[in-house]
Amino acid sequence: DTEVTQTPKHLVMGMTNKKSLKCEQHMGHRAMYWYKQKAKKPPELMFVYSYEKLSINESVPSRFSPECPNSSLLNLHLHALQPEDSALYLCASSHSGTGFLEQYFGPGTRLTVT
Amino acid sequence: SQQGEEDPQALSIQEGENATMNCSYKTSINNLQWYRQNSGRGLVHLILIRSNEREKHSGRLRVTLDTSKKSSSLLITASRAADTASYFCATDEMGGSYIPTFGRGTSLIVHP
Repeated sequence: DTEVTQTPKHLVMGMTNKKSLKCEQHMGHRAMYWYKQKAKKPPELMFVYSYEKLSINESVPSRFSPECPNSSLLNLHLHALQPEDSALYLCASSHSGTGFLEQYFGPGTRLTVT
Repeated sequence: SQQGEEDPQALSIQEGENATMNCSYKTSINNLQWYRQNSGRGLVHLILIRSNEREKHSGRLRVTLDTSKKSSSLLITASRAADTASYFCATDEMGGSYIPTFGRGTSLIVHP
């Protein structure tokens, strides 16, 4: 199984809502990533988990809260978002958190903040 | 920032033609990767080339790396309409913390 799954595919939320994005992989990868991508722009790294520990936080606002419950799951909890947070949120995984290796991406969650 | 710069930003060709896109970066790297992204979807890894390699092939893809010029090229031969997508290079800085940095991408349209 070489698939990374993400749910939901689409999410519309108000600025006062709390929601979560979910990501799952069963490839035994020990590094998992969250990216944010705006239209016609490259993905921007948000967080990296290595062996279930947060290893990199790219100065992301606290309204985004990542969680790695186990080696297969990655969540992104959203609270009090702003309209400019509307974007495609991509999850990825790779074999190891040491070294930039091939990343496997999920299909993304299209988030709209109203 | 180590962000790569792809060139051209957009490329439009006919099916059967070759497509070449280039990536330049700023500092020494461990490796460079190319990814493809179909509209609104996740990225798909195409090829990884290490800093001590100069050329790599995978099917219709050919990647070159010139570390002296800090640049890489991706050649897609005999293009197909299904190759229509955005193509990104990604690098990580040598001695850095393995944070992958993606370039701004090349949008390729292949007309049937």
